Amino acid sequence: DAGVIQSPRHEVTEMGQEVTLRCKPISGHNSLFWYRQTMMRGLELLIYFNNNVPIDDSGMPEDRFSAKMPNASFSTLKIQPSEPRDSAVYFCASSFSQTARVYGYTFGSGTRLTVV
Amino acid sequence: GEDVEQSLFLSVREGDSSVINCTYTDSSSTYLYWYKQEPGAGLQLLTYIFSNMDMKQDQRLTVLLNKKDKHLSLRIADTQTGDSAIYFCAAPNFNKFYFGSGTKLNVKP
Repeated sequence: DAGVIQSPRHEVTEMGQEVTLRCKPISGHNSLFWYRQTMMRGLELLIYFNNNVPIDDSGMPEDRFSAKMPNASFSTLKIQPSEPRDSAVYFCASSFSQTARVYGYTFGSGTRLTVV
Repeated sequence: GEDVEQSLFLSVREGDSSVINCTYTDSSSTYLYWYKQEPGAGLQLLTYIFSNMDMKQDQRLTVLLNKKDKHLSLRIADTQTGDSAIYFCAAPNFNKFYFGSGTKLNVKP
C-alpha cells in the first residue's frame, strides 16, 4: 500500500482565494482525520470521519473551512476564502477503527499551505 | 477532551541516552503512543504501550508508564544523529487521538 496520499505537497495562494486539499486514505481504513500543524498551536484535530460520515468537526476553526468525504477513498478540506493565518501544514491520517488502538493512525506527508 | 503536555526541546550528544517526557490527563486511555516526525514528513508511529504495563522495550527504545502520575516517557539509548526529529506522545479518547506539542530532539555529533 502506498500509504496515505495527500496532494498537493505545497500550495501557495493569495489571500481570498479558495484552496482545496486532497487526501486518499489507506485502502480498508474506515476512519479519516484532518489535522493542522503550526508552531504556535501544535497539532490540532480539525475534523474526523468514520465510514465517510463526519463525526466531530468541533475543531474546524470557522465557517471558511469545510471538509467532505464523498467515498471511502477520498476526502477534501476546503478553505474559502483563505487568509494568511491559515498558513500551516495540513495532515490527513487514516485508521481502521477496530485496530486503531493498537496500530494508531497512519499519517500522510502533509500539505504545506502558504497564504500571502 | 484530553490534555497532553511535553517539554518543547531536548539537546543531547551522540551516543548519550535521551529521555522525553509526557503527561496526560485522561486515565481511561488504554494505549499510549509515541510518534516521530522527521523534517518535512508526516508523523510515524514509533511505539506504543498498553496501559496495564509499566515498561516496554523495543531495541533502543524504552517506554515507561507511571499510570498513577499519568506520566509517560520515551528513552532512546545510544542516540544517533538520525534520531533528530520531533517526538509526540499521544493519548486516545474513544477514536480521537490527542497529541502533545511535540519535543524537538537535537542530537549533536
